[in-house]
Amino acid sequence: QKEVEQNSGPLSVPEGAIASLNCTYSDRGSQSFFWYRQYSGKSPELIMSIYSNGDKEDGRFTAQLNKASQYVSLLIRDSQPSDSATYLCAVNTGTASKLTFGTGTRLQVTL
Amino acid sequence: KAGVTQTPRYLIKTRGQQVTLSCSPISGHRSVSWYQQTPGQGLQFLFEYFSETQRNKGNFPGRFSGRQFSNSRSEMNVSTLELGDSALYLCASSPELAGTDTQYFGPGTRLTVL
Repeated sequence: QKEVEQNSGPLSVPEGAIASLNCTYSDRGSQSFFWYRQYSGKSPELIMSIYSNGDKEDGRFTAQLNKASQYVSLLIRDSQPSDSATYLCAVNTGTASKLTFGTGTRLQVTL
Repeated sequence: KAGVTQTPRYLIKTRGQQVTLSCSPISGHRSVSWYQQTPGQGLQFLFEYFSETQRNKGNFPGRFSGRQFSNSRSEMNVSTLELGDSALYLCASSPELAGTDTQYFGPGTRLTVL
């Protein structure tokens, strides 16, 4: 079983819709959770970090964490074509500054 | 505040050669981590340095090594290059403040081994 799992996609949503990206992790000791966005040929860019169970909102983005279910998700409201990218879920088990990444979900926002 | 910088941005080497990549973290950040990204394996952790000491190491062969200087700048070295070492090498820095371990990535160095 992979440590951090994501559906590779592509996930296709129409412009203006809500995109829902999901991630599961295997290590129950995981403490920090991150979503990065990566455009083709570019480096990962931090979108959100979340540390506690529940929701965390930042503009059009909402991260949701459920440690009991070992599940973290990212919702993108009012999706825009510029949101088309690969979204990487990353988990830190607490062993200082060592992130384990999922393989990423490719999001396509269609006009 | 300037972001993480990496040099060079692109590199072409041949098998058997060695290469050194450089990373300058965000000012004030003391932790520097290195990752390898390939289409097949995704993003994989190489190692992490904090205050000039390697704190964590991933599952890579000893051909991959690194170091950190007193100004927090870091270098990674790959010796005896293999074709499979072709990848995007990413450096990330973290402030290592209490309550946050967020990592910020540099633009990466794209290494091609011929």
